[in-house]
Formats: sequence, structure tokens, C-alpha cells
Amino acid sequence: AQSVTQPDIHITVSEGASLELRCNYSYGATPYLFWYVQSPGQGLQLLLKYFSGDTLVQGIKGFEAEFKRSQSSFNLRKPSVHWSDAAEYFCAVLNNNDMRFGAGTRLTVKP
Amino acid sequence: NAGVTQTPKFQVLKTGQSMTLQCAQDMNHEYMSWYRQDPGMGLRLIHYSVGAGITDQGEVPNGYNVSRSTTEDFPLRLLSAAPSQTSVYFCASSSLPTSGRPEQYFGPGTRLTVT
Repeated sequence: AQSVTQPDIHITVSEGASLELRCNYSYGATPYLFWYVQSPGQGLQLLLKYFSGDTLVQGIKGFEAEFKRSQSSFNLRKPSVHWSDAAEYFCAVLNNNDMRFGAGTRLTVKP
Repeated sequence: NAGVTQTPKFQVLKTGQSMTLQCAQDMNHEYMSWYRQDPGMGLRLIHYSVGAGITDQGEVPNGYNVSRSTTEDFPLRLLSAAPSQTSVYFCASSSLPTSGRPEQYFGPGTRLTVT
């Protein structure tokens, strides 16, 4: 069955430190890939997306993600985290008409 | 341009009651979908539609019905609410996945409690 895995339930980083959130998926073909962010009590905001082409994609708020076909991964990165980045992050995969989300990674930012 | 709108924002139901969650979009998107979000489980696809008159089941369809009579509207019906359906529900819309650039836009969500 197709699935999306975010191995880290909760990550804590210091403000100014770098960040990497992991995402792996299990699909036969290359699906469309997304990262969303959700602040408490809010809806989902799209950070970035991969449809095809360059495997390193840039998003909003200084985030980037790299698609690695050989590892079935789409990890999210940010070189320097800000306190306002504290939120929950979801990786999502769209294959045909079926959208699957990971369980999410909650990011805490220490001052 | 309102994007994706959902009503109501909050709802409390008693077990066995029925209700309809409304979703509308003004972007002329053909693909619309409903998700539920539960703690520790991310979002799970309930039903989706690729155009007026065409709907299909997602990952967790049991207990929910949908219909799509217009491009703009995609209501979600709970025929007999159960406590297990207590959740936050999100509606989303996008161009068709076959378009090559299916970026989904999400509504603000409906928080449903079933007692």
C-alpha cells in the first residue's frame, strides 16, 4: 500500500540553527511531492512542491527540499531557523488522484 | 477571489444526527477533495471528485457521502454521526493531477465534535 513516512514526530532546534525534516514515500512511480506547514488552530499553507525537473526546489520562507528518487525521499531543509518557524510540518504525496500525508513533524524552536 | 471556503467553522452533533459540511471554490478547479485530520495521523483523504458528477473514495470513506453537482461545490454528508467522526475536516481544490501542476488549495477547516 502507498504510504508517506515522517520518521520524526517532534524536533527541537535552536534559533539560527539549520533544520532538516525527513520524508520518505512508497510508490511505484514518481509522484507529485509537497510540504505544508500548519500553525496551531490554523489551516495548511503550501511551502513548496515538486512536479518534475530540477530535484532541488525552493519554497517560501527560505525553505528548500530535495527529491531523491533512489531513496524515495523528499527532505525539507532550512539553513537558519527563526522562532516563527515553530509549527507542524506535513509531507504529502499525490499519485494519480490519491493524496497521502505523513503524520507530521512538530518543530519547536529554542531561543 | 475567496479561494476555498468551508462552513460551518465549528459544529457539535449528537450521535446519530446527520449534517452536511459545505465546501465551495471559485477557482474553476476540477479536482476537489475532503480530508479529516486527527492528532498524530496527519490528514487522511475521505473522498475526492475530478469533476461534476464524478466522485470516488479515498483512504477513509466509511460513514461519509459526497456528491458534485457543480464545479464550485463539494458537500460532505455525515448520515449518522458517530463519536469516531470527531475530527477537523478540510476541503481542498486544485487543477486535475493530469494537468501536471496540481497545487492544492485548502479551506480553513471545520471542527466537528460528536458526543
